[in-house]
Amino acid sequence: AQSVAQPEDQVNVAEGNPLTVKCTYSVSGNPYLFWYVQYPNRGLQFLLKYITGDNLVKGSYGFEAEFNKSQTSFHLKKPSALVSDSALYFCAVRGSGSARQLTFGSGTQLTVLP
Amino acid sequence: SQTIHQWPATLVQPVGSPLSLECTVEGTSNPNLYWYRQAAGRGLQLLFYSIGIDQISSEVPQNLSASRPQDRQFILSSKKLLLSDSGFYLCAWSLAWSPQSNSPLHFGNGTRLTVT
Repeated sequence: AQSVAQPEDQVNVAEGNPLTVKCTYSVSGNPYLFWYVQYPNRGLQFLLKYITGDNLVKGSYGFEAEFNKSQTSFHLKKPSALVSDSALYFCAVRGSGSARQLTFGSGTQLTVLP
Repeated sequence: SQTIHQWPATLVQPVGSPLSLECTVEGTSNPNLYWYRQAAGRGLQLLFYSIGIDQISSEVPQNLSASRPQDRQFILSSKKLLLSDSGFYLCAWSLAWSPQSNSPLHFGNGTRLTVT
């Protein structure tokens, strides 16, 4: 079975500070990992994905994520947070050898304080 | 470029009434299509997915059904709504699926359904 854990329901950070949203996963085979962002009353927007290659993946809006195979983690990061980054963030995973659909985490609400 | 349209944006329906939510995708052919429900602004539950016309897989037994009468049209229906059907319904598409697919999902803006 594949699973995703986002251990923090809520993350607060001051504007201009670096932010990290945590994600750990469990899959069979190599993981395909994704981050999405959701603004209120909107659909999810794709931010970035890790398939293979460089462990540091760069995505939209200045976000990046670091794949760590030994820790089975895929944390989302941004060097300098903006108030407009405040949103709900979802991590998702699918195993490369799996016919299953994406499994989403429970989401982390990021609040950037001015 | 590809776009996904989902309507209506909000809907208030009485218990026992029927439901029809529609989703269409433009700019791509033979997409995989998905219906998700999001309860309480958090967890996403996959309801149905489709890899082709009239090919629907149901992930969770429930009061809902899905149909795909055309390649880029996906419809979520119910004959009689329950209070528990309230939620935020999201349609999504991805490139044609294979077991090794790494294609991300692209979501519509959702329908907020309130069953009263």
